[in-house]
Amino acid sequence: SYVLTQPPSVSVAPGQTARITCGGNNIGSKSVHWYQQKPGQAPVLVVYDDSDRPSGIPERFSGSNSGNTATLTISRVEAGDEADYYCQVWDSSSDRVFGGGTKLTVL
Amino acid sequence: EVQLVQSGAEVKKPGESLKISCKGSGYSFTSYWIGWVRQMPGKGLEWMGIIYPGDSDTRYSPSFQGQVTISADKSISTAYLQWSSLKASDTAMYYCVRGLREAIDYWGQGTLVTVSS
Repeated sequence: SYVLTQPPSVSVAPGQTARITCGGNNIGSKSVHWYQQKPGQAPVLVVYDDSDRPSGIPERFSGSNSGNTATLTISRVEAGDEADYYCQVWDSSSDRVFGGGTKLTVL
Repeated sequence: EVQLVQSGAEVKKPGESLKISCKGSGYSFTSYWIGWVRQMPGKGLEWMGIIYPGDSDTRYSPSFQGQVTISADKSISTAYLQWSSLKASDTAMYYCVRGLREAIDYWGQGTLVTVSS
């Protein structure tokens, strides 16, 4: 089965840039999607197809994907960005797969 | 407005059966797949399976194959997740989700299932 690996936690000061990685074997050949989950809430799609943003998601959220690593970048981080972030792909052997999640802490 | 409205929280005993629901509105129910995602307390998201309401084609994650049943009634735009015999380890939040291709674009509010003797 296909495995996605995320760092358990990332910390960043307000106004700085947060980068959350998602590792997988040749993940660059797949489409990667990212979800934000705040405490007590359902997840929300923030980036799809590697780098596209749904309507209503700030331009501060961007994504990239190459080789064995996909990255969610959050620019000018705000306190309200503090949440858990999950990457997700589709794989022929595993169907849809989620990464283990990364807790973003805004210092 | 697209909405996925799930049934309310459940408290069950081990060995009991359960069927929870997810009603879609604000879009063509048969044009998008519906999936189910488990989140155990304090843990991450786990993909359970998917159904295409148009033809009821259903696929399960290997981890959940044989453990749950996913179904849908397109006449009332509702999808279901059911268990025949619950275990304590089934205690979790369950989300129904909608997607067009590979990504999930809408999530239900979640149904908390608690299994305890």
